[in-house]
Amino acid sequence: DQQVKQNSPSLSVQEGRISILNCDYTNSMFDYFLWYKKYPAEGPTFLISISSIKDKNEDGRFTVFLNKSAKHLSLHIVPSQPGDSAVYFCAASDNAGNMLTFGGGTRLMVKP
Amino acid sequence: NAGVTQTPKFQVLKTGQSMTLQCAQDMNHEYMSWYRQDPGMGLRLIHYSVGAGITDQGEVPNGYNVSRSTTEDFPLRLLSAAPSQTSVYFCASSYSGASGLSTDTQYFGPGTRLTVL
Repeated sequence: DQQVKQNSPSLSVQEGRISILNCDYTNSMFDYFLWYKKYPAEGPTFLISISSIKDKNEDGRFTVFLNKSAKHLSLHIVPSQPGDSAVYFCAASDNAGNMLTFGGGTRLMVKP
Repeated sequence: NAGVTQTPKFQVLKTGQSMTLQCAQDMNHEYMSWYRQDPGMGLRLIHYSVGAGITDQGEVPNGYNVSRSTTEDFPLRLLSAAPSQTSVYFCASSYSGASGLSTDTQYFGPGTRLTVL
């Protein structure tokens, strides 16, 4: 059973609008969360992270929100740009920090 | 810095053959890991290492071996390839970052696409 789930396989957004990517987890031992971005034929690249002691972390156009009681996190991209078109993976780690569990990914398409 | 490099980029094997996927990093990272990516499954951890001489199993270790004799290199061995091992394989390395966690801010290689017939 997948402990980290991204229930939307794909998302299409108009350029300039907000993109919201969602992620749910089941393991209450997870306390550090990351988002990675992946272009075709390349390895994933780190985007943004959040610790469970926070409920929001912001980096430029990217903001991650964490709702621990709901075991839910989301990535907001504002404004969306065509170059943001990629597959986005959320990942979770427990406090031992040696293993990451990834979600299945969401393919974001930003239309000009 | 070259970052994380992986060879080969593509490989086709027959069932039962063995091979080694190479991974090297030049960032002096202690933590290295191997993942496989399958459609809809995200990335799944195969094996990881927290330093030279130390390795441990991840989520899907069966059919794979690793060793870590140096900080720089972390090869993945398929002892007897099976069609179920057809996948894209990614190697990653990381430093602890602000969180202090080994898996914070991992740097991934470009991947090896493996097909087992």
